Amino acid sequence: AQKVTQAQTEISVVEKEDVTLDCVYETRDTTYYLFWYKQPPSGELVFLIRRNSFDEQNEISGRYSWNFQKSTSSFNFTITASQVVDSAVYFCALSEGSSGTYKYIFGTGTRLKVLA
Amino acid sequence: KAGVTQTPRYLIKTRGQQVTLSCSPISGHRSVSWYQQTPGQGLQFLFEYFSETQRNKGNFPGRFSGRQFSNSRSEMNVSTLELGDSALYLCASRQGDDQPQHFGDGTRLSIL
Repeated sequence: AQKVTQAQTEISVVEKEDVTLDCVYETRDTTYYLFWYKQPPSGELVFLIRRNSFDEQNEISGRYSWNFQKSTSSFNFTITASQVVDSAVYFCALSEGSSGTYKYIFGTGTRLKVLA
Repeated sequence: KAGVTQTPRYLIKTRGQQVTLSCSPISGHRSVSWYQQTPGQGLQFLFEYFSETQRNKGNFPGRFSGRQFSNSRSEMNVSTLELGDSALYLCASRQGDDQPQHFGDGTRLSIL
């Protein structure tokens, strides 16, 4: 069965600390896609990154980096030198086609609070 | 390129009424999905439409329905509103199955 687990419900850090948000997924498919989204207090969900199952290369974008490890079915997200503006709920999502159509499955989200 | 547009942004209804929410996807996107978000339940998938056909459905009662038009615009209808239907309703569109969903700002529905 397809599933996305974000075990960390809420994390609080002090500004400039590094923080890692965990995402573990389950799928029987060999072709799948993983995503991270940010939902700031204003409510809109903002797409951050997409990764396909054949590309395990880690990615860095400014202070953000993503570590994809198929061996542990994890797609973790690290924010370096966190800032107050990073405070948001972060969702990990999986899209795979084992059911016949590509359903999108979201994790329950991790609320990140960055304190000044 | 314009993003996903949802109307209205806010709605206040009373129990027993019905409501229709609208979503215009990004131009060229044929897939439109709807989600309900509440503080206690997180993001709950309602349904997905592709080329005017519902192709995925979540676990919601029949009071929740939707449709998609030939221009890919979608509407969601909730009948016989209940207090528990108070939520943020999000619409998302995507260009293909391997592509990310892009979300609108949502419609915040309050039931009195």
